[in-house]
Amino acid sequence: SQKIEQNSEALNIQEGKTATLTCNYTNYSPAYLQWYRQDPGRGPVFLLLIRENEKEKRKERLKVTFDTTLKQSLFHITASQPADSATYLCARGGSNYQLIWGAGTKLIIKP
Amino acid sequence: GAGVSQSPSNKVTEKGKDVELRCDPISGHTALYWYRQSLGQGLEFLIYFQGNSAPDKSGLPSDRFSAERTGGSVSTLTIQRTQQEDSAVYLCASSFDRGSYEQYFGPGTRLTVT
Repeated sequence: SQKIEQNSEALNIQEGKTATLTCNYTNYSPAYLQWYRQDPGRGPVFLLLIRENEKEKRKERLKVTFDTTLKQSLFHITASQPADSATYLCARGGSNYQLIWGAGTKLIIKP
Repeated sequence: GAGVSQSPSNKVTEKGKDVELRCDPISGHTALYWYRQSLGQGLEFLIYFQGNSAPDKSGLPSDRFSAERTGGSVSTLTIQRTQQEDSAVYLCASSFDRGSYEQYFGPGTRLTVT
């Protein structure tokens, strides 16, 4: 079955450093991966989408990569700030136009 | 413009009662999704509506769960004879169309079954 795996342990990063989050998938490569941010008590907010034929996508301080050989996507936040602290969710395109979601990784940026 | 709204924001109910959760998607969005999220877990897909097509109910955990979408807009998720394991946050999302389009989420309804 198709699965998305994200590191369940919280990631602690010093302010100003680059935070890197990992998303691994099983089975065949999805046509696309999406990354979302979720703050406590709120619904997820879309950040970036990367397609299978794209190796890298950037948006301001965010960068996402897609490695079909490693079956992995990396999500980077450069010059991290305490306001970047949140849970980050990775989702893959599944069958029937659904998204299959990882459990998310909690990111903590320490000032 | 207005985002996705959900009501109620919190619902406490006794085991065995029925509950209805409402979702107002973004106007013009043809796709609407319901998810369930338990504490510290990812999103569990429940049901998906696309335009006038028959909904994809493959994620509904039991026949106590049902949903409808009236007029291609507002959706209601109904849970009959609630159980304690139904306690979770229920999230609704809409997107412009099916497929890779980003999903816009509502704030969720926190359901607690006592």
